[in-house]
Amino acid sequence: SQQGEEDPQALSIQEGENATMNCSYKTSINNLQWYRQNSGRGLVHLILIRSNEREKHSGRLRVTLDTSKKSSSLLITASRAADTASYFCATEPLGSEKLVFGKGTKLTVNP
Amino acid sequence: DAGVIQSPRHEVTEMGQEVTLRCKPISGHNSLFWYRQTMMRGLELLIYFNNNVPIDDSGMPEDRFSAKMPNASFSTLKIQPSEPRDSAVYFCASSRGTGGTEAFFGQGTRLTVV
Repeated sequence: SQQGEEDPQALSIQEGENATMNCSYKTSINNLQWYRQNSGRGLVHLILIRSNEREKHSGRLRVTLDTSKKSSSLLITASRAADTASYFCATEPLGSEKLVFGKGTKLTVNP
Repeated sequence: DAGVIQSPRHEVTEMGQEVTLRCKPISGHNSLFWYRQTMMRGLELLIYFNNNVPIDDSGMPEDRFSAKMPNASFSTLKIQPSEPRDSAVYFCASSRGTGGTEAFFGQGTRLTVV
């Protein structure tokens, strides 16, 4: 069963705009991670945020986590055409080491 | 490090045949995951191992699927007999397995059962 659900399913923006993707999950977690997948490729890890953290930055990425609402958001600032990909959130349920993925948000950045 | 290596990259087989997918995790990683990705169901966790021991196989769809990890550097996912609905991309991923660490994915095996 899916633990995380991303929203929106698809997002199309212009280069230079910011892109925001959201993730909701159901159970308590150790941490939440965001991954990127280019078409036909494997997933690549972007950023990890622990359950006791509220916000984290990495380059143009900003992730927030609200454990009371069981939700997270990924913000990509100043988007580029090369950011076009699918983005997935993955949760590590409390007491487990497995990673459970949502269905992803397909981001298209138009040049 | 070459990363997680999966083979074959593509597999086309006839319904009823046995299919074996292979994975070599990153050296030193203690956890290994098998996922299946389809348009309809997204990325499903099939099974994961920690220190070569299967920890959670609740995602394995049915008895036709089996996975083994005979040593720290090799794992297989077998489907016997295969069915057209098994067509998907199968990913293997590994991590250090200490909790709170990132997973590294292979390039996947695209399986088509005709």
